[in-house]
Amino acid sequence: DGGITQSPKYLFRKEGQNVTLSCEQNLNHDAMYWYRQDPEQGLRLIYYSQIVNDFQKGDIAEGYSVSREKKESFPLTVTSAQKNPTAFYLCASSIEGEISGELFFGEGSRLTVL
Amino acid sequence: AQKITQTQPGMFVQEKEAVTLDCTYDTSDQSYGLFWYKQPSSGEMIFLIYQGSYDEQNATEGRYSLNFQKARKSANLVISASQLGDSAMYFCAMRGNNQGGKLIFGQGTELSVKP
Repeated sequence: DGGITQSPKYLFRKEGQNVTLSCEQNLNHDAMYWYRQDPEQGLRLIYYSQIVNDFQKGDIAEGYSVSREKKESFPLTVTSAQKNPTAFYLCASSIEGEISGELFFGEGSRLTVL
Repeated sequence: AQKITQTQPGMFVQEKEAVTLDCTYDTSDQSYGLFWYKQPSSGEMIFLIYQGSYDEQNATEGRYSLNFQKARKSANLVISASQLGDSAMYFCAMRGNNQGGKLIFGQGTELSVKP
């Protein structure tokens, strides 16, 4: 079945450690996104990519990094520079170039800093 | 800059009644799209309905309809005949034609359906 796979579903991190969240899609979508969800703040855009080997910062990119070496993959690294990384992270993809293109989401990764 | 505002953090509705979830937006783009998503407690995001800024008719999808008032910059979601399974978070979102494909979300409204 086509879709988006995020892993791991749950992740615990010690302060000062970098962690990488995986996002893979087989929908043949050009555009991919990473959002962070916190209670009462909705979804905030971290990074997005419209094409392979290119990506742009969203509204809260500080402390995060991404790569887009393959169309199918858009991993997110939460670095030690991110001061409050405990959150629910959602990856999504969509058809590029269409305003009406809905986002298809993965099931999310919940990161907890110990 | 674009902005989505959902002013109702939580809503209650009786089963089988209709409910309206509010969404207002701000954008300088002439062409844009508005979306509603549902997020159950499991965390998955489920696409519900889409409205284009140039669509002349309000969008409908089954029990969901979007009350689009362009002059007021509002895009309220109406759920008819509420069901217990409608209890979830609901997010309004927008994408403008000059925003490089970015989709921005509001803060969400938590809907609880009472039996």
